[in-house]
Amino acid sequence: QKEVEQDPGPLSVPEGAIVSLNCTYSNSAFQYFMWYRQYSRKGPELLMYTYSSGNKEDGRFTAQVDKSSKYISLFIRDSQPSDSATYLCAMGSGSARQLTFGSGTQLTVLP
Amino acid sequence: DTGVSQNPRHKITKRGQNVTFRCDPISEHNRLYWYRQTLGQGPEFLTYFQNEAQLEKSRLLSDRFSAERPKGSFSTLEIQRTEQGDSAMYLCARSGTSGTEGYLWAKNIQYFGAGTRLSVL
Repeated sequence: QKEVEQDPGPLSVPEGAIVSLNCTYSNSAFQYFMWYRQYSRKGPELLMYTYSSGNKEDGRFTAQVDKSSKYISLFIRDSQPSDSATYLCAMGSGSARQLTFGSGTQLTVLP
Repeated sequence: DTGVSQNPRHKITKRGQNVTFRCDPISEHNRLYWYRQTLGQGPEFLTYFQNEAQLEKSRLLSDRFSAERPKGSFSTLEIQRTEQGDSAMYLCARSGTSGTEGYLWAKNIQYFGAGTRLSVL
């Protein structure tokens, strides 16, 4: 079993929809959590980062962390065709410098 | 702009050849990371530098792989005797800085370059 599980999709939604992307993890040592967006043949682009449990909002994006359930989410409001990409969750702990990634969810927002 | 430049963007090589990739952070960042990403998967950690010291290496980093970071600035990743299984995107990342992000733990944030896509024929 992988340390971080992410539904690969593909997920297809109409423009303007609310998108919910999720990851679960098994390592209780993870303390900080990130979401990256990756367009085809490009490097991952940092979208959101959070530390420990709670919510964080940035424009149309909201990240949620529930450490008790080992579950993190990214919500995208008013989704746009330009949001079409692969979304990667990533997490790390203070003792390990590397990030552990999910396998990514491919999202398509239809105009 | 993530402040990480990687060259070349795409490398095509024949099996058995050696290849070298380069990563240039826009300014000196004390932490630099290498990851490998295969199709349909998330990036997997390879190795990590703090300044010029290579502090961690993944079990994915076989004896054919070597990484350096002379003087704590740019970094190179070399693969010797390439195999078809080495075909992947190789990503370099720099750490954030607590001064920029405003949190002491923000140095754990990682910003990625555009990657080098390796195709081994």
